[in-house]
Amino acid sequence: AIRMTQSPSSLSASTGDRVTITCRASQDISSYLAWYQQKPGKAPKLLIYAASTLQSGVPSRFSGSGSGTDFTLTISCLQSEDFATYYCQQYYSYPPITFGQGTRLEIK
Amino acid sequence: QVQLVESGGGVVQPGGSLRLSCAASGFTFSSYGMHWVRQAPGKGLEWVAFIRYDGSNKYYPESVKGRFTISRDNSKNTLYLQMNSLRAEDTAVYYCAKDIRGGSGLLDAFDIWGQGTMVTVSS
Repeated sequence: AIRMTQSPSSLSASTGDRVTITCRASQDISSYLAWYQQKPGKAPKLLIYAASTLQSGVPSRFSGSGSGTDFTLTISCLQSEDFATYYCQQYYSYPPITFGQGTRLEIK
Repeated sequence: QVQLVESGGGVVQPGGSLRLSCAASGFTFSSYGMHWVRQAPGKGLEWVAFIRYDGSNKYYPESVKGRFTISRDNSKNTLYLQMNSLRAEDTAVYYCAKDIRGGSGLLDAFDIWGQGTMVTVSS
């Protein structure tokens, strides 16, 4: 199974900051990577797929980049509603589809 | 609007069985692959099962293979997850999710998620 490792596991930031979350795959997954946002008690929400394609309705302050084994999710100007947990997911090689362990973004 | 609504969760004893349902609306259910994903309390996301849009292909991780069965009834716009031989480690919120890619047997990102249903395995 492909292992997905996110860093950092948690992050404190302030409204207006630019933040970057990294996801590393244990082997080449081309661009078959998605990013999700999850708030407490809620279902995950798709933000980015194919490594850099913004899902419809997602604010443009979210962006994704990378290919192969190294990927990043960037939030250009943090808003209060962005404080949540973020997960990366690979869908290049399956089964299984695998997720990263999550990055919790907290208010500083 | 596009919606997925899970049901069927509850408390079950170890070794027991449970069937989850996921009612879909607002899109052509029969054209999309569907997934189940779970999340244990305080933990991350774990993919549990996939079924192709026409039901002809199914995938599972090793952790549930042989115990869980995914199925669908396209005439009822409903997805199912039959869970047998349940263990304490199966305790989680179970989400159904729609694959973003239609009309294909390939797996992709999950663009629509239900609200989840809680399954607790405990004596």
